[in-house]
This record gives sequence, C-alpha cells and structure tokens, in this order.
Amino acid sequence: NAGVTQTPKFRILKIGQSMTLQCTQDMNHNYMYWYRQDPGMGLKLIYYSVGAGITDKGEVPNGYNVSRSTTEDFPLRLELAAPSQTSVYFCASSQLGQGGYGYTFGSGTRLTVV
Amino acid sequence: AQRVTQPEKLLSVFKGAPVELKCNYSYSGSPELFWYVQYSRQRLQLLLRHISRESIKGFTADLNKGETSFHLKKPFAQEEDSAMYYCALSKNRDDKIIFGKGTRLHILP
Repeated sequence: NAGVTQTPKFRILKIGQSMTLQCTQDMNHNYMYWYRQDPGMGLKLIYYSVGAGITDKGEVPNGYNVSRSTTEDFPLRLELAAPSQTSVYFCASSQLGQGGYGYTFGSGTRLTVV
Repeated sequence: AQRVTQPEKLLSVFKGAPVELKCNYSYSGSPELFWYVQYSRQRLQLLLRHISRESIKGFTADLNKGETSFHLKKPFAQEEDSAMYYCALSKNRDDKIIFGKGTRLHILP
C-alpha cells in the first residue's frame, strides 16, 4: 500500500537547469496537489488538479508547470531553476476536494538550487 | 480570502504539562478545519478533523465559531509529541486546503 510516492528524495540543481519532480498515487484519488514548504512560511500551494487533463494554479505557480495525463501521476516541472526555488516539495492527493478526510502526503523532495 | 493564523512559531512545554497550540482563521462561511502533524524526518499526516470530533493521541480541538479559533489541546504533554503542527482550513469538502505557517512544539524533559 504505497499511497503517494515522490521521487527523487533529494536533488541539487544548478541555476538555469531544469528537472521534473515525480509524484504518483495508487489510491485512485482524483485530486492531486503540489505544495512547497519553506521554513517559517508553512505550505504554499503551487498547482493542483481535480482530475486527469485538468490543472489549475495555486498561490505560487510562477516558475513551475504541471501536467496530468493519468489519474495516478502528477509531475511538477521546473524549467529554469532559480535559488528562490530551493525548498521542500510535497505532493498530496485526496479522494474528493479534501472530502472532509484531508490529504495524503508524499514524503517530499528536498531541492537545492545553487 | 480565507486565512489561517498560527501566532506561535515555537512552543516549548515541559513533559506532563498541558499543551495548547493556537489557531485562528478568517473565513465568513463554515469551514472545514484540520490539524496536520509532521514528526522529524516523516511526511505530513492528518492528526484530526473538526467534523469528526475525535481525540487522536490525546489531542483534541474544538471549533469556536464566535472566536474563529480551532486550538489544539492535550492535557499532558509527552516527549513524542515534539513535532511541527499545522492548522489548515478548507472552504468546503470540494475545495483545496489552506495551511497556516506552523508551530514547532518542543517537549522538554
């Protein structure tokens, strides 16, 4: 019972490089989310998806892109990495919007941009 | 727009003492409220939801609509309670969750 799986767990990028953070869930959840967690700032929503083929911006979408071609996968793309994107990234999913049941989170990806 | 405020960044409490983590929210409707916890080196996990009125690991939280608060309480702190705690709000069950900035709870021996 994997739940929400994120890869990689750690990554160091140079400024201007690109990468994709992977997120997959095996719970058949329609809703998926990407948050970034910065010290003292809590979690900020980057993008979310309410189903395959549907994505929408959250609070801090600039510098990121997403796609949702399947129910299971919701990758987050950084095209031109900047030091401001150094953060811990969490993917989450939920059965309904949050359905009163809250989210299931992945274990996170710690990204450093140097 | 809805907002969640956790006024304390860090709360240090002695083992066995009562714990209260404060959370205030701003939203004109009837929100759904949550507490999430993140133990060291672990993923965020749901601690409790206001709609279930449950007690998890000795923690309870009561929604006070008049004061727009959802404080998390435990009568006797344990060392394993040391963690980061996030209060969170959703406008309704179909909407996304907004998180507060979090409070780090440190239980002193």
